[in-house]
Order: sequence, then structure tokens, then C-alpha cells
Amino acid sequence: DGGITQSPKYLFRKEGQNVTLSCEQNLNHDAMYWYRQDPGQGLRLIYYSQIVNDFQKGDIAEGYSVSREKKESFPLTVTSAQKNPTAFYLCASRYSGLSTDTQYFGPGTRLTVL
Amino acid sequence: AQKVTQAQTEISVVEKEDVTLDCVYETRDTTYYLFWYKQPPSGELVFLIRRNSFDEQNEISGRYSWNFQKSTSSFNFTITASQVVDSAVYFCALSEAYQLIWGAGTKLIIKP
Repeated sequence: DGGITQSPKYLFRKEGQNVTLSCEQNLNHDAMYWYRQDPGQGLRLIYYSQIVNDFQKGDIAEGYSVSREKKESFPLTVTSAQKNPTAFYLCASRYSGLSTDTQYFGPGTRLTVL
Repeated sequence: AQKVTQAQTEISVVEKEDVTLDCVYETRDTTYYLFWYKQPPSGELVFLIRRNSFDEQNEISGRYSWNFQKSTSSFNFTITASQVVDSAVYFCALSEAYQLIWGAGTKLIIKP
């Protein structure tokens, strides 16, 4: 089945540790996105990538890093510099075609700092 | 600047009632897309609809309908005969280049 997978579903991190969240898509979409969602809040853009080997910072990139070595994969690393990383992280990929342009989301990863 | 406003933070209705979720947007672009997404308690965002700025026809899909009015910069979402499974947070979004501008979301509670 085509879709977007994120792993793990739940992640626990000790303070001072870096952790990497996985995002994979087999939809052949060019663009991919990472969002952060805090409880009861909307979505905030962390990073996005329109093509392989290229990515741009979103509104809240500090304390996060990404890579885009393959079209299918867009991992997000939450570094120890991110002071309040506990949140729900959503990955999306975007299909852009003739008269259409839509982001589709993975199931998310809930990160908790212990 | 682009902006999306969902003024209703939370709506609570009894099952089978009709409910409308409001979305007002601001943009200087002449061509843009508007979206609605549903976020059930599981967390995953589910795409519901995309509307092009040049297509003001209303859309109906089962119990769901959408009213797009450029004159008032609104893209409202109505659920007819609501069901408990409709309980979720609903987000409206506006396209801006390669990104989406998101509203804050409306939490919809359907009581049995």
C-alpha cells in the first residue's frame, strides 16, 4: 500500500540526548515536511524539503536538523539544543500536479522527554 | 500577510444536529488552494478537501459540504446529521508557495 510511515509511534528521550524520528513515503512525492504540534495547539512547520539534497528551515527550526539523501526518506533529529522537545511530530509529503497540490500526513510520533 | 482564522475554538453538539465550522482567510495571491483536514484522537491528519481559488462551486460529499465564498474570504465546512465519529479537531489551511498556512483548529465534540 502507498503511504507515509513514521517510526517510532512513541519515543522517550532523556535530557541531553539526540533522537532521530523516521519518515518514509512510497508515494513518489517530491516534497516532504516536518511539523510540531503541542497539546491543544495547531501545527508549526519545522523543516521542509522540495527535492533531494535540499531543505529549508520553517518557523521553528532551532534545535532540529534534517537530511534528505533519498526521495523516500526525510528523517528529523531532535538535538539536545531543543529545550522543550516534548510534542507530537507529524511528517507529510506533498503531491503537486496539474491543478492539484495536497499534503498527506503520516501517523505521527509522540516524543516525551523524561 | 497570509492568515487563516478559525474563530471557534470548540463546538459541542448533540448527535444528529447539523454543525458548521467557520474558516476565514487572508491572502494577496490571486491563485491559491484552501484545505480542510480532520484530526481524530489518534492524531493523524486526514485530508478532507482541497478547493482551488478559481472554483467557487460548493462541494458535497455525503454528510459533508463546503461553502467557498471569495467575496467574504470564507471556506466554511458543514456536517449534516452529525455522528459521534465526527468528533475530532478540524483544521483549515491556505496554500502559500510551497507551504500551508494553518488555522488554530476547531475541536468538535459530538455527544451521543
